[in-house]
Amino acid sequence: EAQVTQNPRYLITVTGKKLTVTCSQNMNHEYMSWYRQDPGLGLRQIYYSMNVEVTDKGDVPEGYKVSRKEKRNFPLILESPSPNQTSLYFCASSPSPYTIRGSTDTQYFGPGTRLTVL
Amino acid sequence: TQLLEQSPQFLSIQEGENLTVYCNSSSVFSSLQWYRQEPGEGPVLLVTVVTGGEVKKLKRLTFQFGDARKDSSLHITAAQPGDTGLYLCAGGRFNDYKLSFGAGTTVTVRA
Repeated sequence: EAQVTQNPRYLITVTGKKLTVTCSQNMNHEYMSWYRQDPGLGLRQIYYSMNVEVTDKGDVPEGYKVSRKEKRNFPLILESPSPNQTSLYFCASSPSPYTIRGSTDTQYFGPGTRLTVL
Repeated sequence: TQLLEQSPQFLSIQEGENLTVYCNSSSVFSSLQWYRQEPGEGPVLLVTVVTGGEVKKLKRLTFQFGDARKDSSLHITAAQPGDTGLYLCAGGRFNDYKLSFGAGTTVTVRA
């Protein structure tokens, strides 16, 4: 079954304690992305990756890091989490970067990770 | 500031009525995507429109991309309770590979 998986699904942590949210896809997709969703703001893109070892900033990258060492995995790293990073996080993947520009391919989203930073 | 403005923010209608959700911007987009999201789940892609003036139909849902590629609309005919959800529009750009979302429209269809 084609899917995007994220772990953990729920996480409560404290300010400053480094954490990693994992994301994995089994569709051999080139393009992967992280978003955060906050009430009244919709989804905002944090980082994206067009392929292995190719990553770039989205619209809200401050306080986050990513890496793409393998095609299937795209972890999101919060080196020193702060309360304003409390949010619902989604990982997504699509066959190619051109899905974003306008092909008819589909971008698939994971189930989300609800993060609370105290 | 949101690049894509969606309206209305909330919409509650009776089963069988029609509804339209709007997605507007002052920016030009290479494509416009529409998603539906249900509570506790990730967004699911409904359609992508890529040509200015394009109209796509998906059963009772009709999607339109504005001629100038700055706006889009989603029209649902004879809404059903199963259409309840958060509808999100998202725009791709010509000069990068970012995707910008609107804030969403929460649609509730009452039986």
